[in-house]
Amino acid sequence: GEDVEQSLFLSVREGDSSVINCTYTDSSSTYLYWYKQEPGAGLQLLTYIFSNMDMKQDQRLTVLLNKKDKHLSLRIADTQTGDSAIYFCAENNAGNMLTFGGGTRLMVKP
Amino acid sequence: KAGVTQTPRYLIKTRGQQVTLSCSPISGHRSVSWYQQTPGQGLQFLFEYFSETQRNKGNFPGRFSGRQFSNSRSEMNVSTLELGDSALYLCASRRTLRDDEKLFFGSGTQLSVL
Repeated sequence: GEDVEQSLFLSVREGDSSVINCTYTDSSSTYLYWYKQEPGAGLQLLTYIFSNMDMKQDQRLTVLLNKKDKHLSLRIADTQTGDSAIYFCAENNAGNMLTFGGGTRLMVKP
Repeated sequence: KAGVTQTPRYLIKTRGQQVTLSCSPISGHRSVSWYQQTPGQGLQFLFEYFSETQRNKGNFPGRFSGRQFSNSRSEMNVSTLELGDSALYLCASRRTLRDDEKLFFGSGTQLSVL
């Protein structure tokens, strides 16, 4: 079955770059997503990448996809305290439902 | 444009009761999906509705059911509640069933079963 894995926790200093990693298993996924969840809130779609792309940049966010290794990463440049949240990667599966990773809690220290 | 709206925001129920959660999708979105989020199991897909028909279903018992109305609004029902049903229930909408359509989530309904 599908299983998306992420590390649990990441701590960075304000102004540094953050890199959140994710591995997935469904090689037929056409899209991979990054969502952000702040305390008490739902999921906010941050960015996504089509499976035939290697990289996508969107302002401070850079997504890298290594399809051979089924590895996805999200880089946040110039990380701010407002970026503190839980970040979920997700892949779309057959039937187009999303399978999510367990989430990475990003803590940004001033 | 209003986002995905879920009501109520919080619910407290006791074991054995039933509960109905409501979701209004983004205007123009015809698909509504439901996800359950718990600390132990993470985010899990419940089901998706499009044009009032269930299109896909996750691995949940029959106590979990849903429906969609002609205006695309959706309700989710859980009968005979168990303690383990305590969770954040998230609704998401998208315009169509195409795989390039992005899912947009509501803020969720936090259900506590006592």
